[in-house]
Amino acid sequence: SQQGEEDPQALSIQEGENATMNCSYKTSINNLQWYRQNSGRGLVHLILIRSNEREKHSGRLRVTLDTSKKSSSLLITASRAADTASYFCATVFNTGGFKTIFGAGTRLFVKA
Amino acid sequence: EAEVAQSPRYKITEKSQAVAFWCDPISGHATLYWYRQILGQGPELLVQFQDESVVDDSQLPKDRFSAERLKGVDSTLKIQPAELGDSAMYLCASSYRPTGWEQFFGPGTRLTVL
Repeated sequence: SQQGEEDPQALSIQEGENATMNCSYKTSINNLQWYRQNSGRGLVHLILIRSNEREKHSGRLRVTLDTSKKSSSLLITASRAADTASYFCATVFNTGGFKTIFGAGTRLFVKA
Repeated sequence: EAEVAQSPRYKITEKSQAVAFWCDPISGHATLYWYRQILGQGPELLVQFQDESVVDDSQLPKDRFSAERLKGVDSTLKIQPAELGDSAMYLCASSYRPTGWEQFFGPGTRLTVL
């Protein structure tokens, strides 16, 4: 079973609005990463947050991590039509070696 | 800018045939991953290499799938025989180290098994 579970599964917003996606996981992690995937293409790394960090920013992206709740959120501010894509969280944890598990993703549609 | 290369981009095959996918990671990246992504789902890790060694292949269907990374550089993923349920996107990714570093993904190979 997948460690990371995103919600919502799909999100439709107007251009200029903020989009928030959430990720929950089950076991202790080393770090958590967010990726974007445009339809039919490879994934692109957005941001990495380590287990001892609580918040990170990158441009219009803000990621928070709550290790006590085993959850993370990705906020995209002032969304644009070009932000339309699927967003995945990936948890990296140590099982004697470092393993990465992706969630099922949130499909974001930004209407112009 | 360095990229992960994959070939072919698309592959159509009949069930019971053999297929092979190739991946060339970014130079200097010790860790290489093969993922399978079914439409509408997240990538599922099939195999992870550290240099030329397999460090995780727990989700690889070993009766039909095999992967190698000779000399710790490029890698090949093979399916023999292919089954209808293998239709998916096969993604290769690489990273400088197995943790703490982002993964760079190739464009993927879209496999259709008829």
